[in-house]
Amino acid sequence: DSGVTQTPKHLITATGQRVTLRCSPRSGDLSVYWYQQSLDQGLQFLIQYYNGEERAKGNILERFSAQQFPDLHSELNLSSLELGDSALYFCASSVENGWDEQFFGPGTRLTVL
Amino acid sequence: ILNVEQSPQSLHVQEGDSTNFTCSFPSSNFYALHWYRWETAKSPEALFVMTLNGDEKKKGRISATLNTKEGYSYLYIKGSQPEDSATYLCAFMLSTGRRALTFGSGTRLQVQP
Repeated sequence: DSGVTQTPKHLITATGQRVTLRCSPRSGDLSVYWYQQSLDQGLQFLIQYYNGEERAKGNILERFSAQQFPDLHSELNLSSLELGDSALYFCASSVENGWDEQFFGPGTRLTVL
Repeated sequence: ILNVEQSPQSLHVQEGDSTNFTCSFPSSNFYALHWYRWETAKSPEALFVMTLNGDEKKKGRISATLNTKEGYSYLYIKGSQPEDSATYLCAFMLSTGRRALTFGSGTRLQVQP
């Protein structure tokens, strides 16, 4: 158990809908990262927050947004969902904003029908 | 676009065999190289974080080396056990710009008893 929690574990929804994925980092970790794992692709970095502020952006679609709250938990919002958004979404956390190791949550499997 | 390549893509070995995998990454603007172990139905788990050229890290039967000048890292497993069966991912972090990991596609290891 990494200490990072993600909810829900599974999510099934329809195209065009909007969902929110939630992540609680390990106690004391200030950085939260979101990754997407699609069927035919490796882990792709989406976005990073550090202590409430957006620090880095990867291949995140405009239909997706995220935020980190004062208690350091983070939410990833996915809207106007398409079939291709079906994937495993991981949240990871680390202590700082440097090279330190990242601890991954169990992931949320999103299925868009 | 950063290119992180891992070889081989998959490997089948017998219990007791020693094995090694390669991770290739850009040799310029190096900041850190991470190795993760990812078992089926679980989340990636950090094995090593390496930051200095010539770094060697060891954890039990698993060790890793780093050559930042030529842009490669090796992961070695001595005396493979069935519980070592997993996908091994390496991830590269740039010294400039965002502190985000770019993952390779992984080496899937299967250890037969």
